[in-house]
Amino acid sequence: SAVISQKPSRDICQRGTSLTIQCQVDSQVTMMFWYRQQPGQSLTLIATANQGSEATYESGFVIDKFPISRPNLTFSTLTVSNMSPEDSSIYLCSVRGAARSSYEQYFGPGTRLTVT
Amino acid sequence: GESVGLHLPTLSVQEGDNSIINCAYSNSASDYFIWYKQESGKGPQFIIDIRSNMDKRQGQRVTVLLNKTVKHLSLQIAATQPGDSAVYFCAENINQAGTALIFGKGTTLSVSS
Repeated sequence: SAVISQKPSRDICQRGTSLTIQCQVDSQVTMMFWYRQQPGQSLTLIATANQGSEATYESGFVIDKFPISRPNLTFSTLTVSNMSPEDSSIYLCSVRGAARSSYEQYFGPGTRLTVT
Repeated sequence: GESVGLHLPTLSVQEGDNSIINCAYSNSASDYFIWYKQESGKGPQFIIDIRSNMDKRQGQRVTVLLNKTVKHLSLQIAATQPGDSAVYFCAENINQAGTALIFGKGTTLSVSS
């Protein structure tokens, strides 16, 4: 499986500011995704990061709030913009296409965000 | 062992018992499923997967069962150990190109010694 790293691992931010989270994979992958996990909850898909084009967002998530970049097959960023306390969550990068099965999906360690 | 007929948010077992965690998935078009284990402060860890053309798959101490008739998935853990304590999630892949996994509600497994 791919080794996935995220920066930062955690942060405490003030409301109204923005934070950019980086995701780096040690091998080229077909697909990259960003999920949110609110405290004590399951994982919710934010968007699919598309290489060289705009991300595909799920219902309830918009580009102005969560801009995403994917400049190549091993790197992506997620920005949480104009943060409010409701954005306090774990943000997880996930990849697919690094293993023999194109369906296997792996996760990074997550970025724990607290907004005050 | 202890089994859970419907999804329950928590499951408590004794060390050495067998554990069964259940999951109901949502879409009859789903063609692939994964079970993940998430320990506190970590990202989800891939445990075992199964394709929709199978009804059972075994790994090391774990077995996944798939019942497509009732859209039900289960994870069996044999000889449960304290290190198995975590939140377990099932996830489904809806059979559309380029889609990500959709996650179910998690079950917190607590193993006491």
